[in-house]
Amino acid sequence: GQSLEQPSEVTAVEGAIVQINCTYQTSGFYGLSWYQQHDGGAPTFLSYNALDGLEETGRFSSFLSRSDSYGYLLLQELQMKDSASYFCAVRGLNFNKFYFGSGTKLNVKP
Amino acid sequence: ETGVTQTPRHLVMGMTNKKSLKCEQHLGHNAMYWYKQSAKKPLELMFVYNFKEQTENNSVPSRFSPECPNSSHLFLHLHTLQPEDSALYLCASSQETSGTGANVLTFGAGSRLTVL
Repeated sequence: GQSLEQPSEVTAVEGAIVQINCTYQTSGFYGLSWYQQHDGGAPTFLSYNALDGLEETGRFSSFLSRSDSYGYLLLQELQMKDSASYFCAVRGLNFNKFYFGSGTKLNVKP
Repeated sequence: ETGVTQTPRHLVMGMTNKKSLKCEQHLGHNAMYWYKQSAKKPLELMFVYNFKEQTENNSVPSRFSPECPNSSHLFLHLHTLQPEDSALYLCASSQETSGTGANVLTFGAGSRLTVL
């Protein structure tokens, strides 16, 4: 079966750095994605890692370690607008399917 | 409009009603998906269509019936639903279902369904 584990909720202050971890167990693995979803909004794509290492896109970075079945999303210089839910998702052996975690609700406080 | 558009945004129906959810994408993508999002649970893949052909049915009950008349439109027909089917139903699209074009899903804002 497939399973992804991520913390249910994280709180941080404006300007800080926060790391959201994701561990996964899948049969077959092609890559790890991250999506952001504001309340009432559509999930939006943030990043995709197919290879080990760190990918940086502005204030957001995503890391993957295939040997550890682990990845994380790093958000720097937090802003109030970053308050949202963040989902990790893995693309498994079946190309059609992305398996999603339950999401991490990030609360950014002033 | 651009992106993925879903209608209606909110729907309340009784268990004996028949209703449909509509999804339209203006991105020129060839693959479309239905996901179910329930509180505190992972997004659940329901159906996948590639070039109008259904390629995945993730053991979805027959009271949910998808239809994909062309690569830009996707419907989810609902009939004799149960209260536990109340959820946010998300439509998504991607360029294709394999290769690098499958790595990015573009989601609509969802249809919030309440079954009484």
